[in-house]
Amino acid sequence: QVQLQESGPGLVKPSQTLSLTCTVSGGSFTSGRHYWGWIRQHPGKGLEWIGYIDDRGYTYYNPSLKSRLTISQETSMNQFSLKLSSVTAADTAVYYCARLAGGYDPDYWGLGTLVTVSS
Amino acid sequence: EIVLTQSPATLSLSPGERVTLSCRASESVSKYLAWYQQKPGQAPRLLIYDASNRATGIPARFSGSGAGTDFTLTIGSLEPEDFAVYYCQQRNNWPRTFGQGTKLEIK
Repeated sequence: QVQLQESGPGLVKPSQTLSLTCTVSGGSFTSGRHYWGWIRQHPGKGLEWIGYIDDRGYTYYNPSLKSRLTISQETSMNQFSLKLSSVTAADTAVYYCARLAGGYDPDYWGLGTLVTVSS
Repeated sequence: EIVLTQSPATLSLSPGERVTLSCRASESVSKYLAWYQQKPGQAPRLLIYDASNRATGIPARFSGSGAGTDFTLTIGSLEPEDFAVYYCQQRNNWPRTFGQGTKLEIK
């Protein structure tokens, strides 16, 4: 059973960089044509795609976040990560990592982690 | 970016009833439309992918249909555990986008 777990600070100060890591267990990170993505949900609101990294290491960023965003992977550690710079209160959200099986729709998700941007 | 509009925003129904949820895209997404269920404090759960294919382990009472710009999710007979928020999501264009959700509540 594939499991994903987000980790990182729950509180980030405005203008700083939000950094999260997703650790994948229960399956090989590199086998299968899987992509790995990040999605967020503002408190009480709907879901927003942040971006993803494909099986060749190419990244796809939401244009609304592209200038501040970096998604990378560390295959030897079965991890991928998210860095979002120059955060503001508008970046306060629950951040989910997810597997895109075969590059399709997210089928396995992490539990989500709430990141609050506040001084 | 493609805007997905879900209707209605909220539905109040009783267990055993049949329900159809709607998702309309601002332009064609071909068949690349998925449906998710989300319960409070939980991550979304994939129900349907490519408009009409049930994901692994999803009960047969969930079915999806549609293509192009108009899609529906039907729950044949509501079970108590089906009361949740439902989102549609397209993967035809980047950025992928979600609808705003339909909340299914117990009447």
